[in-house]
Amino acid sequence: AQTVTQSQPEMSVQEAETVTLSCTYDTSESDYYLFWYKQPPSRQMILVIRQEAYKQQNATENRFSVNFQKAAKSFSLKISDSQLGDAAMYFCAPAYAGGTSYGKLTFGQGTILTVHP
Amino acid sequence: DAGVTQSPTHLIKTRGQQVTLRCSPISGHKSVSWYQQVLGQGPQFIFQYYEKEERGRGNFPDRFSARQFPNYSSELNVNALLLGDSALYLCASSFRREVWTEAFFGQGTRLTVV
Repeated sequence: AQTVTQSQPEMSVQEAETVTLSCTYDTSESDYYLFWYKQPPSRQMILVIRQEAYKQQNATENRFSVNFQKAAKSFSLKISDSQLGDAAMYFCAPAYAGGTSYGKLTFGQGTILTVHP
Repeated sequence: DAGVTQSPTHLIKTRGQQVTLRCSPISGHKSVSWYQQVLGQGPQFIFQYYEKEERGRGNFPDRFSARQFPNYSSELNVNALLLGDSALYLCASSFRREVWTEAFFGQGTRLTVV
């Protein structure tokens, strides 16, 4: 079974500072994609950033970047210049291109991020 | 452009009852997936439908069923409700079956079973 582990149930950061959220996953698949989603209190799941496993270059999206270590099966999210609007639950979610998990997102347990002014 | 819309936003049901949740995908999207999110946990995959056919099913009992209509909207049905079915039910749509083309989520339906 595919597993996703987010080892930090809660994290906090001061506004304008940097924070890193960790994620590890376990799969035997070679072709997959990795996502970070943000879920604010409004409940809607919002895509933050996406990484293709076949790409060595880490994805960046404005203040958001990832550190993708394929051999270690690690996919961390770095948020720079944190803003109050970044406060939310963050989920790591691989999507596999083969096997029984084809076509679905497998979510971790989530990390609650609090941003202090 | 309208995003993914789900209805109703909230509902309360009694144990043993049946419930139908509805999802309208983004215009042009042919894939709809359903997820169950129990409070404090990550969403769990229930179903994926693409081009009106079931293309994936998660580890949920047969009390859960779904279908997709010709306009690509979808319904999730849950029979014989249990207290443990209380959760946020999320619908996601994407243009293709491959979810990594980017899945867009609705705001969910909060189901409470009493």
